Amino acid sequence: GESVGLHLPTLSVQEGDNSIINCAYSNSASDYFIWYKQESGKGPQFIIDIRSNMDKRQGQRVTVLLNKTVKHLSLQIAATQPGDSAVYFCAEKSRRSYIPTFGRGTSLIVHP
Amino acid sequence: NAGVMQNPRHLVRRRGQEARLRCSPMKGHSHVYWYRQLPEEGLKFMVYLQKENIIDESGMPKERFSAEFPKEGPSILRIQQVVRGDSAAYFCASSPMPRTGGNTEAFFGQGTRLTVV
Repeated sequence: GESVGLHLPTLSVQEGDNSIINCAYSNSASDYFIWYKQESGKGPQFIIDIRSNMDKRQGQRVTVLLNKTVKHLSLQIAATQPGDSAVYFCAEKSRRSYIPTFGRGTSLIVHP
Repeated sequence: NAGVMQNPRHLVRRRGQEARLRCSPMKGHSHVYWYRQLPEEGLKFMVYLQKENIIDESGMPKERFSAEFPKEGPSILRIQQVVRGDSAAYFCASSPMPRTGGNTEAFFGQGTRLTVV
């Protein structure tokens, strides 16, 4: 699989804890924000998205918060499990483009 | 319904050779996106296609790289005269026709890892 972690921001948590992964964006024209999960050696997997006119959206064990004032996005994972260990990317789409633009990523390591 | 299929999963080429990467979108999907990922970095957009048409190639290097999505068959990303700097993971995603006013989810394949020696 791919090696990740040495230069990516890394978040280490204990199994059962809640995790918060943050993302800053700069494009004021972003219309949608999306979180992806990428496990080692695999392609990105959609987790959850949020439209720019919302500030919170919940899924199964995940919550995304959007603060447009400071251009900040976060992904909260409740009761983190070892299977959540992966690199998490935020991505954005502008109103005029259907192309997801990815941020750098955060490596989440969950210790049993 | 099979997911996005990319092949080969691993490809080794010598400098100067050509690399052909294939992407079969999900059934019913008419749009394909290609991304490149260097180790420990995010995915960088390369090109966005629909069948028989390139919609956006703003992320494609001007030389040696080309992409197509024919009416029949997979999308192909072609890299001519590869150099060591082309070594990366190349991911393809597909989606249905994007809809206005909503997010159209793109589904990613497992990627092709190109190594240039």
